[in-house]
Amino acid sequence: GQNIDQPTEMTATEGAIVQINCTYQTSGFNGLFWYQQHAGEAPTFLSYNVLDGLEEKGRFSSFLSRSKGYSYLLLKELQMKDSASYLCAVRDSNYQLIWGAGTKLIIKP
Amino acid sequence: DAGVIQSPRHEVTEMGQEVTLRCKPISGHNSLFWYRQTMMRGLELLIYFNNNVPIDDSGMPEDRFSAKMPNASFSTLKIQPSEPRDSAVYFCAITNRNIQYFGAGTRLSVL
Repeated sequence: GQNIDQPTEMTATEGAIVQINCTYQTSGFNGLFWYQQHAGEAPTFLSYNVLDGLEEKGRFSSFLSRSKGYSYLLLKELQMKDSASYLCAVRDSNYQLIWGAGTKLIIKP
Repeated sequence: DAGVIQSPRHEVTEMGQEVTLRCKPISGHNSLFWYRQTMMRGLELLIYFNNNVPIDDSGMPEDRFSAKMPNASFSTLKIQPSEPRDSAVYFCAITNRNIQYFGAGTRLSVL
């Protein structure tokens, strides 16, 4: 079967750094996506990794290791507005997105 | 970002009633997806269309659910008859340059 694992909830302090991990087992791999979803809103696209390594975009970075079936999202200089759920999704061999359950990130002052 | 307009934003109905959710992509796309999201089950793919043709509807829970895409600018998801367990947020999403973009969603409550 296909499976995406990520922690259910994480807590971090404003101004700090947090790393949200995602491991996956899917039938084929055609890219990994991270989305941010604020409560009551739609998921919004954050990042896309298809090759191994780190992709940096401002305060957010995403890392991928295909051999390990592993990715992480790194958020730096945390702000209160970063409190949200972060969804990991993998595009499988059929080019369909397999979604993780999401990680709820709580930022404390 | 590609735009997706969903309507209504909120729908409250009684069990047994028909519900129609609407989706209007407002910019170029290749595929259109209908998702359902609940606290218990997370984000679930119901059905997706490629070039207006339904490709995979294996996620549609029951025959009570049906979806159409008569043209590239419009799609509907219909539930008939609705049941309380259908209460969820329903998202429409489109793919543009390999990225999925979501509409704001319809929050459905079936009493």
